[in-house]
Amino acid sequence: AQSVTQPDIHITVSEGASLELRCNYSYGATPYLFWYVQSPGQGLQLLLKYFSGDTLVQGIKGFEAEFKRSQSSFNLRKPSVHWSDAAEYFCAVGDRGATNKLIFGTGTLLAVQP
Amino acid sequence: DAGVIQSPRHEVTEMGQEVTLRCKPISGHNSLFWYRQTMMRGLELLIYFNNNVPIDDSGMPEDRFSAKMPNASFSTLKIQPSEPRDSAVYFCASSSQGVGTGNTIYFGEGSWLTVV
Repeated sequence: AQSVTQPDIHITVSEGASLELRCNYSYGATPYLFWYVQSPGQGLQLLLKYFSGDTLVQGIKGFEAEFKRSQSSFNLRKPSVHWSDAAEYFCAVGDRGATNKLIFGTGTLLAVQP
Repeated sequence: DAGVIQSPRHEVTEMGQEVTLRCKPISGHNSLFWYRQTMMRGLELLIYFNNNVPIDDSGMPEDRFSAKMPNASFSTLKIQPSEPRDSAVYFCASSSQGVGTGNTIYFGEGSWLTVV
């Protein structure tokens, strides 16, 4: 069964510092991979997604993620964090098969220090 | 595009009462999903529909929960009777042709349910 692991429950970074949020997945083939962000009291907004092709994917708000098949990872990065990036980040894996399920990780809560 | 629209945004109800959550998917989308988010269990897929037909309801916690999609532009999630452990944020989401063909799921802003 497919699954997603986000090993970091909570991360604190200083404003202007770089950020990397980890995501590992379990899936029999190459999955569809997504990163969503959830601000307090809001729904989930898509940051970026990987379907095929270039393994480095650019998203909104200056985020990028790299698909590494050998490590079953899809880590999210940003070179310089802004205070407005404080939110919860969810990695998700989608099935390329007949199902339409999107399975989410448990999320990483990002705090940004001034 | 108005996005996925959910109502009510917030509801506080007493244990034992019936709760109905409503969702209008993005126009043209034919896959609809209901998710539940809690601190303990994170985001759980409850049920999803393709072309108004329930495809997988294995995530529905128990018989107190039911979901319907009478047409392409409307879905309901009903809890009867409600219990305090049902307190959560319920998200509706939709996509075109579904994730299995590489499409993105778009989420509503959620219905925040508190059962006291």
